[in-house]
Amino acid sequence: AQSVTQLGSHVSVSEGALVLLRCNYSSSVPPYLFWYVQYPNQGLQLLLKYTSAATLVKGINGFEAEFKKSETSFHLTKPSAHMSDAAEYFCAVSLFSGSARQLTFGSGTQLTVLP
Amino acid sequence: NAGVTQTPKFRILKIGQSMTLQCTQDMNHNYMYWYRQDPGMGLKLIYYSVGAGITDKGEVPNGYNVSRSTTEDFPLRLELAAPSQTSVYFCASSYKVPDTQYFGPGTRLTVL
Repeated sequence: AQSVTQLGSHVSVSEGALVLLRCNYSSSVPPYLFWYVQYPNQGLQLLLKYTSAATLVKGINGFEAEFKKSETSFHLTKPSAHMSDAAEYFCAVSLFSGSARQLTFGSGTQLTVLP
Repeated sequence: NAGVTQTPKFRILKIGQSMTLQCTQDMNHNYMYWYRQDPGMGLKLIYYSVGAGITDKGEVPNGYNVSRSTTEDFPLRLELAAPSQTSVYFCASSYKVPDTQYFGPGTRLTVL
């Protein structure tokens, strides 16, 4: 069965510092991987996705993630944090079940940006 | 283009009551999903649908029912509400699988 592990339920960084949010997955077949962001009291929106093309994926708001098969990782990074990046971030892996692939979500990482 | 809309935004139920959470999408997506989100637990799939008239259970279906009579609508029914169903519920849709899922704003449900 596919699974996703996000290391660190809470991460704090200073404004302007590097953001690194960790995600490891397990999958018996080549996965599709996603990062979603959730701002307070809102639904989730897609940051970026990996679908077996380029291993370095660029997303919205300056975020990017690198798919590393050997490490089964898909860590999310941003060179310089902004106050507006404070949110909860979810990594997700595709899961094939029956006739439709479903997403399996990690438990989330709450990012705090300090002034 | 409104995307995915959900009603109501908030609701308080008493134990044993029933209600329907509404979800509508205007993107002509075949695939629709219901998730619940509990603190520190990520999102868990309740039910999903691959098209009108076709639904299937997800990871946590007990206590819920769904129907899909049209492409646009995917209501979630709670029968005999229990405190364990206190959660935030999200509806989502996608054009194909695997692909980006588009989420509604959520319904915050409290069962007392």
